[in-house]
This record gives sequence, C-alpha cells and structure tokens, in this order.
Amino acid sequence: DQQVKQNSPSLSVQEGRISILNCDYTNSMFDYFLWYKKYPAEGPTFLISISSIKDKNEDGRFTVFLNKSAKHLSLHIVPSQPGDSAVYFCAVRTQGGSEKLVFGKGMKLTVNP
Amino acid sequence: DAGVIQSPRHEVTEMGQEVTLRCKPISGHDYLFWYRQTMMRGLELLIYFNNNVPIDDSGMPEDRFSAKMPNASFSTLKIQPSEPRDSAVYFCASRGPVGTDTQYFGPGTRLTVL
Repeated sequence: DQQVKQNSPSLSVQEGRISILNCDYTNSMFDYFLWYKKYPAEGPTFLISISSIKDKNEDGRFTVFLNKSAKHLSLHIVPSQPGDSAVYFCAVRTQGGSEKLVFGKGMKLTVNP
Repeated sequence: DAGVIQSPRHEVTEMGQEVTLRCKPISGHDYLFWYRQTMMRGLELLIYFNNNVPIDDSGMPEDRFSAKMPNASFSTLKIQPSEPRDSAVYFCASRGPVGTDTQYFGPGTRLTVL
C-alpha cells in the first residue's frame, strides 16, 4: 500500500519552460516533505523541503507547494534547464520523532535543449 | 568532506552466498540509514541507527538480512544466504543531529545475485 504516490513516471519539457512535478500522500500525520534528485549511478541528493506548517518554500529556480487539505505536494522548476534532467523523488516524514522517510517511486524529468 | 562512502560499488554473487555491504558515513553525522531500491518497490528504508544504536529495523525484509554499526564511522549490511530477489541497489545515507533534516546519500552498491 503506497503512502506516497508519484503517478506520472516521466515528464518531458523544453528548456526555459516550467516543470511541474506532483506527489500525493495518504497520511495526514506526515509533518515534513522533501524532494530529492537522482542522476544515474549516483545516490539521491537533497533538493528542497517544506514543513507542514507552511504552504510554499522557494530556493532559486525551485519552489515546493504543499496543499494539506488535498494531501498534495508539487515541485516547480522554472526556468527548466537540461542539467535538471534526472529522476525526482518526493519523500515524507511521519510525526512523532521518527526519522524514517517514505519515498515515492520517482519521476523521470527530461529537459530538452 | 568525501561524503558518504559505500563499498563495493558493484557486487555479483551466486545464490546462497553471503554478501556484505559497507558504509562510511560523513564524519560528525550521528544518524545512518540503509535503503534498498528496486523497480517494483522503489526506494525503501531497511533500517536506521542513531549514535550506533539501531532505532527502527521494521523495513528489514527477513532474518537473512542483518545490519551493524560497531562505531560512528562504519556500518555493514549483511545478507546471508543471498537470493536472486535480493538483487537491487543498496544505498547508505547519513544525517546530522536532530534539527538538520537532510540525509546525504552514498553512491550505492548494485547487487546482483545469480
């Protein structure tokens, strides 16, 4: 039973346009949400995060939006660059002191020059 | 800092053999995590340690899997005996104290069990 779902396995966008990556979760007890990026043959690297007390967090070209009522998380990349081509994972952490992260299955983003 | 170091990067073994994966976390980090990535299940947490003590091993699939952290700079994940369904990429990650939420991942070990 997947607690974190990334329903689109892939996305292709043109350089300079916006990329929107989506993530849905099932448990309202999750308190912290993260996005990781992964290149082939490398481990995932942290990209951006947001606490459940916020609904938006920006870091340069990357913005994460949290809609708690819809249990929906999204990552916006604008403008998209070819170097952004990678697999993106959303991850969530449960409240209560556990440090366990639950990851979605990932979505492959391709940014075409 | 060299980041999280994992060895070996690739391991090919035959069913029934013992496999040991190794991890050196980032110096000063007191949390260490072992993950497994497969096509079917994605990236899933197997076990994590805090200050060398196992905190949550609920993700360890079965008794064939064991993990140890004898000191702050070294951890092992052992599979004995290995089976073909254990084929996956195994990642180790480390993190600093509570209040620093980012986990830093190693490059992974690709395990193939024939």
